[in-house]
Amino acid sequence: AQKVTQAQTEISVVEKEDVTLDCVYETRDTTYYLFWYKQPPSGELVFLIRRNSFDEQNEISGRYSWNFQKSTSSFNFTITASQVVDSAVYFCALSEAGNNNDMRFGAGTRLTVKP
Amino acid sequence: NAGVTQTPKFQVLKTGQSMTLQCAQDMNHEYMSWYRQDPGMGLRLIHYSVGAGITDQGEVPNGYNVSRSTTEDFPLRLLSAAPSQTSVYFCASSVLRSGANVLTFGAGSRLTVL
Repeated sequence: AQKVTQAQTEISVVEKEDVTLDCVYETRDTTYYLFWYKQPPSGELVFLIRRNSFDEQNEISGRYSWNFQKSTSSFNFTITASQVVDSAVYFCALSEAGNNNDMRFGAGTRLTVKP
Repeated sequence: NAGVTQTPKFQVLKTGQSMTLQCAQDMNHEYMSWYRQDPGMGLRLIHYSVGAGITDQGEVPNGYNVSRSTTEDFPLRLLSAAPSQTSVYFCASSVLRSGANVLTFGAGSRLTVL
């Protein structure tokens, strides 16, 4: 079965620092989809990005950027100039085209941004 | 739009009691699912449904039952609650399509089993 590893349990930074959240995945499928979700202190889960396995272009959205590297099975997430509002738990997730009803999540990384 | 609505938000049960977590969506999504979130383990899929009358097991289905009689509703039943089922439960839905599903989540239901 597919697997997602987020080795960083907790990260603490000071506002305006850049921070990268790591995500490593395992899958046997050649077609798969990677996601990042954000869970702020209020508890809801918010979709951030989806990337399919055929699109290795990096993506930038404001202060957020994502680096997808199939060679290392990684899909890392960088926040530039972090802000207190970025404090949240971030989840990386993977689903396979052959079984896209089963989305597997990593354990999550808790990011704390201090003023 | 209400999106995905879960009730109750909080519940305390005693071991052996039964209860149903309700989930309703108003987006006409074919796909609905239940996840549980436990510290250090992320979200794990319990059950899912790809349409009315169709359900299937996820990664951790034991101790839970589901049914899907309408497109809108997908209740999760605990027949005999155990302390190991203390968790935060999330319902999610999405449009069913050939690509991967982007899930819309409910606000979560925190369940404590004593």
